[in-house]
Amino acid sequence: QKEVEQNSGPLSVPEGAIASLNCTYSDRGSQSFFWYRQYSGKSPELIMFIYSNGDKEDGRFTAQLNKASQYVSLLIRDSQPSDSATYLCAVRDKLSFGAGTTVTVRA
Amino acid sequence: GAVVSQHPSRVICKSGTSVKIECRSLDFQATTMFWYRQFPKKSLMLMATSNEGSKATYEQGVEKDKFLINHASLTLSTLTVTSAHPEDSSFYICSARDLMGDRVGETQYFGPGTRLLVL
Repeated sequence: QKEVEQNSGPLSVPEGAIASLNCTYSDRGSQSFFWYRQYSGKSPELIMFIYSNGDKEDGRFTAQLNKASQYVSLLIRDSQPSDSATYLCAVRDKLSFGAGTTVTVRA
Repeated sequence: GAVVSQHPSRVICKSGTSVKIECRSLDFQATTMFWYRQFPKKSLMLMATSNEGSKATYEQGVEKDKFLINHASLTLSTLTVTSAHPEDSSFYICSARDLMGDRVGETQYFGPGTRLLVL
């Protein structure tokens, strides 16, 4: 079992819609979780981190963590074309990355 | 804040030569830096973890004699690809973790990456 698994996508959503990204992890002891965005040809940039169960909101982004079920998700509200990128879920301080979900927001 | 730079951004070299890539944390001190490699349309793969003043810890399958890592200061780590071959062509990305060590400090900040092409 891979340490971090993401729904592979690609995910296509219309502008203004909500994009929902999911990630599951195998190590029940993991404490810290990160969502990164990576544009084509660029390095990842941090969107959010979350440590506690529940929701964490930052602008149009909401991260949700459920440690009992070992999943973390990212919601992008009011999706914009500029949100089109690959989103990477990462776990722990020595980051283990998921394969990424490519999101395309259709204008 | 939390800016990480890499140099060079792009390098083309002949097979058999060595290439050095620098990773610098510009506005914070980083006890730990990480080196990743990313092939086209693939996720980032951790190559090694570099702690200031000590030997790097390499991930399984990564040849430590081929990918030399030096972390001589709290703001600089270097990756040297020795005797590079075409299969080493990839996007190499470093990241740095803030010295502060609190929960926020666990966050890694990525450099812009170095694209290596070995002919």
